[in-house]
Amino acid sequence: LAKTTQPISMDSYEGQEVNITCSHNNIATNDYITWYQQFPSQGPRFIIQGYKTKVTNEVASLFIPADRKSSTLSLPRVSLSDTAVYYCLVALQGGKLIFGQGTELSVKP
Amino acid sequence: KAGVTQTPRYLIKTRGQQVTLSCSPISGHRSVSWYQQTPGQGLQFLFEYFSETQRNKGNFPGRFSGRQFSNSRSEMNVSTLELGDSALYLCASSSLLGGGNTEAFFGQGTRLTVV
Repeated sequence: LAKTTQPISMDSYEGQEVNITCSHNNIATNDYITWYQQFPSQGPRFIIQGYKTKVTNEVASLFIPADRKSSTLSLPRVSLSDTAVYYCLVALQGGKLIFGQGTELSVKP
Repeated sequence: KAGVTQTPRYLIKTRGQQVTLSCSPISGHRSVSWYQQTPGQGLQFLFEYFSETQRNKGNFPGRFSGRQFSNSRSEMNVSTLELGDSALYLCASSSLLGGGNTEAFFGQGTRLTVV
């Protein structure tokens, strides 16, 4: 079962680009990498998912190197409303999501 | 389309009682999973149901049980409540059973407080 490691917390300022890196050394060949965002007292919200190289959507980009042992979530020009906990996950094993501790991002004005 | 709906949003129970939480998944989704979130343990997987069958189970005692109905709605039951069961209980629905490229949609959760 792939385990993820990510920084416990990060600070940023409005308008900056934020990159959160996640390590997943024993990721399996068929595993996808997924990022979720969670605000206090709310359920996690899907941000982005990828398998390799780069994926971009309207809110974020996900960079995955060739060895897939890590991945980086990139949030362009963050705002105060991006203050949240960000979780990196690998593999949906029959619908079972394994959440780590997540990264608490604090965006300051 | 409507999102995942969990009821009730808040609940206060006393030790020893039992509680039933409800989750209505997104229309068309057949997989429903339940998670417990506490400050100390984070988000932990409870169990998953697909087509009325439990497919996966986390490491929780037998006091935690669930079921899924033919319309994919799911209920979670906790018997003989303990203070440590106080948590945010989250339900997630997805269209497929597992598969690496399946996106899960979470409800707002039910905040259970045991006193």
